[in-house]
Amino acid sequence: GDSVTQMEGPVTLSEEAFLTINCTYTATGYPSLFWYVQYPGEGLQLLLKATKADDKGSNKGFEATYRKETTSFHLEKGSVQVSDSAVYFCALSDEGYGNKLVFGAGTILRVKS
Amino acid sequence: DGGITQSPKYLFRKEGQNVTLSCEQNLNHDAMYWYRQDPGQGLRLIYYSQIVNDFQKGDIAEGYSVSREKKESFPLTVTSAQKNPTAFYLCASSIGQGREKLFFGSGTQLSVL
Repeated sequence: GDSVTQMEGPVTLSEEAFLTINCTYTATGYPSLFWYVQYPGEGLQLLLKATKADDKGSNKGFEATYRKETTSFHLEKGSVQVSDSAVYFCALSDEGYGNKLVFGAGTILRVKS
Repeated sequence: DGGITQSPKYLFRKEGQNVTLSCEQNLNHDAMYWYRQDPGQGLRLIYYSQIVNDFQKGDIAEGYSVSREKKESFPLTVTSAQKNPTAFYLCASSIGQGREKLFFGSGTQLSVL
């Protein structure tokens, strides 16, 4: 079945460091890919998405590129801030899975000042 | 402001007791979802509903029940048959069931006394 694998956390960085959170997926169809962010005690918010190969989603300085050849959708940010500390979830939506969202396990990011 | 409201924020269940988690949305969305979040396991789909008076089981429906009598409401009952109910429960909605953005509530933390 469809699945999403994320790098394990927590990831701890100093402010202004470069961030990469790896995400790879397995899907039966041609999925759309998403990154959601969860701040402490809250629900999830959509951070960015991409719907076809080579699309780049971007928002708030975060970027991710849909790589069909490597089945990946890695999240990057050039300079993280303390306010970026949160849990980041990679997810996919696939016609072969009824278009329901499948989430990865989440990666905790901690940014120190 | 439009959004999704979950209540209560914290809920405690005694052995053998059924408890109901509330989810209300004023976004006029057709589709609504319930997810369970456990540490290190990401989000798992419990139930979803595409239209009023219709709902389908997700991946972990055993021990849970739902109803969808009104478009704006999708309550989740955690029954006594759910032997490990302690988790963070998230309700979400989307315009339709497709490759679309999910809007999440702020969650309910359920614990067993």
